Amino acid sequence: NAGVTQTPKFQVLKTGQSMTLQCAQDMNHNSMYWYRQDPGMGLRLIYYSASEGTTDKGEVPNGYNVSRLNKREFSLRLESAAPSQTSVYFCASSRDIPLEQYFGPGTRLTVT
Amino acid sequence: KNEVEQSPQNLTAQEGEFITINCSYSVGISALHWLQQHPGGGIVSLFMLSSGKKKHGRLIATINIQEKHSSLHITASHPRDSAVYICAVLGGETSGSRLTFGEGTQLTVNP
Repeated sequence: NAGVTQTPKFQVLKTGQSMTLQCAQDMNHNSMYWYRQDPGMGLRLIYYSASEGTTDKGEVPNGYNVSRLNKREFSLRLESAAPSQTSVYFCASSRDIPLEQYFGPGTRLTVT
Repeated sequence: KNEVEQSPQNLTAQEGEFITINCSYSVGISALHWLQQHPGGGIVSLFMLSSGKKKHGRLIATINIQEKHSSLHITASHPRDSAVYICAVLGGETSGSRLTFGEGTQLTVNP
């Protein structure tokens, strides 16, 4: 099993460009999450999907959109990237909301 | 004030020492997680607990719900334990079903 996979691993964008971060899990988990990690801030939840077909805002949703494409895949889209979105992005999944979360390897995004 | 506070922020130990990392939270919770972030960036879940104590190998996690406090202990520490250890709580007043994370404790174990 690959667990949680994310693509790409690294990305550099110019301000105003758009991109989609991809996440997939092969553990048949119901719940999936997108986090960002910034120095001195800890991990912060951007959006989550409690189950296939549902998505909800987390702590810092502004500037992002998500799609739960199917049970396996949960993508994060930046429509118009800003330097404040420079961060490391982690996708995670869990069998259900209160249970142990499994994290992907992260995507390091730089917006210039 | 953050909902989740960890101490210390940085910890350096010699191989073999007993290590304790603390986590205090200010809200009622339904569960608490301990995570480990490797130097390469990968994050692994170590424990999820809502009461009492859990042990896995050289790692022990305890929680005191009344005191809103949890500790992560590492016995016989080893350089490969060097990582950032993150505490996260589920079910806080503002977070509901979301995890709220502490800023992490950077642990360095020297040989």
